[in-house]
Amino acid sequence: EAGVTQFPSHSVIEKGQTVTLRCDPISGHDNLYWYRRVMGKEIKFLLHFVKESKQDESGMPNNRFLAERTGGTYSTLKVQPAELEDSGVYFCASRGQGREQFFGPGTRLTVL
Amino acid sequence: TQLLEQSPQFLSIQEGENLTVYCNSSSVFSSLQWYRQEPGEGPVLLVTVVTGGEVKKLKRLTFQFGDARKDSSLHITAAQPGDTGLYLCAGGQAGTALIFGKGTTLSVSS
Repeated sequence: EAGVTQFPSHSVIEKGQTVTLRCDPISGHDNLYWYRRVMGKEIKFLLHFVKESKQDESGMPNNRFLAERTGGTYSTLKVQPAELEDSGVYFCASRGQGREQFFGPGTRLTVL
Repeated sequence: TQLLEQSPQFLSIQEGENLTVYCNSSSVFSSLQWYRQEPGEGPVLLVTVVTGGEVKKLKRLTFQFGDARKDSSLHITAAQPGDTGLYLCAGGQAGTALIFGKGTTLSVSS
């Protein structure tokens, strides 16, 4: 069974540009989560999808972040326009019927 | 706001030593998960504890959930260089997002 995959693994962009991160969850997992780790801080929750619906987006920092999960399969997280403080590692996790969340390898975003 | 305080933040020990990592909160969690993360990879689940007082063992690793489900510990017996890595605790309520501690970076030298 394939795990959670994320693309790209690294992204370096200029302030003001747009970046789109992609997450492919484990097949059949209805729950998809986005998290972020900023340097020196703990991993923090961004939002939670159940199938294609946003269950909880209380962790989204501001309206420059847009997450979608069309069709309830893969998800994208777009940052537009990117700011310096958006730099960090973005993790995606998926969960089936159990309580365990399985994490992808993350996307390291650097905003210059 | 729920917080998980994880300690110590850094730990450098010799092969064969024992160590304990602590995770504490003022909040009650329905479950607590321990992850290990290697550089360039995502957190990999080690164990989930759900019952107050529960103890789980994974080879040389022993995980305990506090009676009140507010704290947890990870004890490693006879640490080996292969145990080197970042250990994360994360608490959750049923189906919701996880609250992470800052992590413990463990270095075991031979």
